[in-house]
Amino acid sequence: EIVLTQSPGTLSLSPGERATLSCRASQSVSSNFLAWYQQKPGQAPRLLIHDASLRATGIPDRFSGSGSGTDFTLTISRLEPEDLAVYYCQQYGSSVWTFGQGTKVEIK
Amino acid sequence: EMQLVESGGAVVQPGGSLRLSCTASGFTFDDYTMHWVRQAPGKGLEWVSLISWDSAGTYYADSVKGRFTISRDNSKNSLYLQMNNVRTEDTALYYCTRGDYFGLDVWGQGTTVTVS
Repeated sequence: EIVLTQSPGTLSLSPGERATLSCRASQSVSSNFLAWYQQKPGQAPRLLIHDASLRATGIPDRFSGSGSGTDFTLTISRLEPEDLAVYYCQQYGSSVWTFGQGTKVEIK
Repeated sequence: EMQLVESGGAVVQPGGSLRLSCTASGFTFDDYTMHWVRQAPGKGLEWVSLISWDSAGTYYADSVKGRFTISRDNSKNSLYLQMNNVRTEDTALYYCTRGDYFGLDVWGQGTTVTVS
C-alpha cells in the first residue's frame, strides 16, 4: 500500500496570498495518477486536480497541481475566503487507492 | 444532473452486519468503476473499496478486507457494500463515489454507520 504524507497539517494565510501544499508518497505513483480534493465543512469532497496537474471541470485556474514520482504539490495562487477547507491528495496508480491525511487551510 | 444517493446507514452492534446501498442517476452507470470511501467523525478520508464496471475486479483496503464485500447491479444502477463483523472503528460517514483514471469525480452525500 502506498502511504501519502501531506504537509503542513495546517496552513494559515491571508486572502490574496499563495498557498503551497505538499504530498509525498512512500513509493513512486504509477503514471503520476495523483489527485487533489477540497472538502469544505459539512460537504462531500470535490475533485480539483487529477493526473497530478490537470484541473477538473469547472475548477478555477488559481488552483494548480505539479510534481511527479513521489513528490507532488497543490498551489492556490491567490487565496480567497471560500478556499477555507481541508485538502487531500490521493493516489490511484495501484489497485488499492489511498488518501493523504489532509491539510487544513485557514483564512486569517 | 449526475447524482449518487446512499442509504442503509444505521446503528449496529459490534460483530453485526449491515448492507449499504447507492443508487446512481444522470450518467451511464455501467461505464464506470465505483468506490466506497469513508470518513470517521472528525477524521480524514479513507478509501474502502472499488469494483470495476463489469464486477470482474474488486479491491479492498487492508482495514476491511475479509469483512466487507462490494458488489453492483448494473440493471438497477446500484452499488452495494456488505459489512460483516463490524468493529467500533468502522463508525463513519460512508460515501459512494464514481472514479477511474481521472480520480473520484462524482460523490454522494453519504450515509452514517455507527457501531456501538
